Amino acid sequence: DAKTTQPPSMDCAEGRAANLPCNHSTISGNEYVYWYRQIHSQGPQYIIHGLKNNETNEMASLIITEDRKSSTLILPHATLRDTAVYYCIVSNWGGATNKLIFGTGTLLAVQP
Amino acid sequence: GAVVSQHPSWVICKSGTSVKIECRSLDFQATTMFWYRQFPKQSLMLMATSNEGSKATYEQGVEKDKFLINHASLTLSTLTVTSAHPEDSSFYICSASDPGTSGSYNEQFFGPGTRLTVL
Repeated sequence: DAKTTQPPSMDCAEGRAANLPCNHSTISGNEYVYWYRQIHSQGPQYIIHGLKNNETNEMASLIITEDRKSSTLILPHATLRDTAVYYCIVSNWGGATNKLIFGTGTLLAVQP
Repeated sequence: GAVVSQHPSWVICKSGTSVKIECRSLDFQATTMFWYRQFPKQSLMLMATSNEGSKATYEQGVEKDKFLINHASLTLSTLTVTSAHPEDSSFYICSASDPGTSGSYNEQFFGPGTRLTVL
């Protein structure tokens, strides 16, 4: 599985958009980009995923560059409850192992 | 979304004893379950992948005789930490997926985690 690089931490003001970057320059053609988040002492929570097109759901938007070497997760109106560690993961959905390998993630601190 | 539960949510045991952690998919059938371990201020580390009815596949460096995994049904997987020692103290998290019904992506549903403390 391709590796990802994320900044270790970011701050965001409550109510503002939070833009979390992720580099995945070695991503292969059949690998998806997944985003999960983990609030302290809880299990990870799925946010969104994409292959090459931009995606949006009720939680967030995912912007993937045309060359697929990087992506940005956007939380449009961050709240205090969005404070968590956000993980960007690339994985082959159809692989025999179906594994998600977590990197170090970005600790997003939403400030009041 | 689908719900995965873990039991117990926390456990304290004496060194040398064995501890069993259960992972259940409550409203779907999980053909594949995963076990992760997370030390304080670190990321999740995948320990093993288990498929219903077959032996688990362990990640490199994970002792299969120490961390026994059983996935005997489509809704239950268990992780047994045998002869636990203080260095096994960690947050253990399971996840479950059902590729047959997940469509075109392998969304994994995570349990709330089990905090193990070995004295």
